[in-house]
Order: sequence, then structure tokens, then C-alpha cells
Amino acid sequence: IAGITQAPTSQILAAGRRMTLRCTQDMRHNAMYWYRQDLGLGLRLIHYSNTAGTTGKGEVPDGYSVSRANTDDFPLTLASAVPSQTSVYFCASSYTSGSDEQFFGPGTRLTVL
Amino acid sequence: RKEVEQDPGPFNVPEGATVAFNCTYSNSASQSFFWYRQDCRKEPKLLMSVYSSGNEDGRFTAQLNRASQYISLLIRDSKLSDSATYLCVAPYGNNRLAFGKGNQVVVIP
Repeated sequence: IAGITQAPTSQILAAGRRMTLRCTQDMRHNAMYWYRQDLGLGLRLIHYSNTAGTTGKGEVPDGYSVSRANTDDFPLTLASAVPSQTSVYFCASSYTSGSDEQFFGPGTRLTVL
Repeated sequence: RKEVEQDPGPFNVPEGATVAFNCTYSNSASQSFFWYRQDCRKEPKLLMSVYSSGNEDGRFTAQLNRASQYISLLIRDSKLSDSATYLCVAPYGNNRLAFGKGNQVVVIP
């Protein structure tokens, strides 16, 4: 059982380019989340999905989009990357969207130049 | 007031000593809380859940004080391997989890 996987592990991207970060879970969790973590700012929620077919905006959604076509996958897309999107991105999932504990993927380290 | 607040530290702890730190939360309706551990450049991992009055798991004890709206984490007999950042987590509006910025613990030989 892999849990949650993310790809790529790291990426250097030119500003203005489009990038999709992949996230897949095999725990049949209903809810999934995308966070970014920056030094001194902690984890900030970008987007979430309570169940397949639905998505919602988190604390810092601008410049990002998500889709949830099925239970397992929750890709995050940067339509036109900017340097301020340099960060570590974590995908997480939980059984329900309430106050259940969340399980995290290993993260993607993204640098936008 | 932020949903979850923690003193970032660092908390420098001699090996074998006890360290404790608190986390305050703003949502008085919160019922369950969590402590996560995060190692440098790694993902957060669940350390323990905190329900009602508290929880204990080996050398780790978590307490909940509803009246003052804080939870605490105590680590006894600190090991070098306990060096990490400990994130406090509490539910907030719309059934989301709010993560604190973490308490950095450095265990010194």
C-alpha cells in the first residue's frame, strides 16, 4: 500500500510556464487537499475536495486550479507560474472532510525562476 | 486571532530532559485536536490525536484545556531522534483543519 504519492519530487520551472503537480492516494479517502509550506508561514490550504466531482477554494487559491475526476487523483495546476509560487507543495487526504486526521504525501519542491 | 498559535522556539532540550509546549486555538467548538511531527524537508506525520481530557503514548503526553483553549505536548526523557518540528492542529470553520506554524525542538547530546 503506497498511501499518497506525489510527482514530481522536485521541479525547476521557468516563469510563465504551465505545470501540473500530481497526487494519487490508494486509501479510498473521500477528501483531498493541497497545501503549500513556506518558511515562517506554515502550511496554507490552497484547494480542497470533499468528494470526487467537487472542489473548493482554500486560503491561498489564486494562480492555482484543481480537478477531482475520481476518488484517487487530485492534480494541482499552475496555469502560468510566477516566482512567488516557489514553495514546497503537500497533498493530503482524509476519510471524510470533517475533522478527521489527514495523511500527507512526501511533497513536491517547486522552484520558479 | 489566528486559528492556531504556537511559539516557534527553538526549544533546546538536553538529552534525557523533559520539554513541554502549548498551542492556543480560537474555535471554542472544536472537539478533536492533533499533534503532528515534521522532520526537516519531510511531510507532516500524525503523532497523536487529542480528545476530551488528553492522551498519552509512551513518552508523549498531550493535554487539552478547554477553558483556556489550549492544548499542550509534553515529551519525557527526550531522545536525539525527537528533534523535529511539532505542529498543533485544530478544526475550524467549514470542517477544515488549521495547522500551527510548529514548535521546533532540538535535543542536544
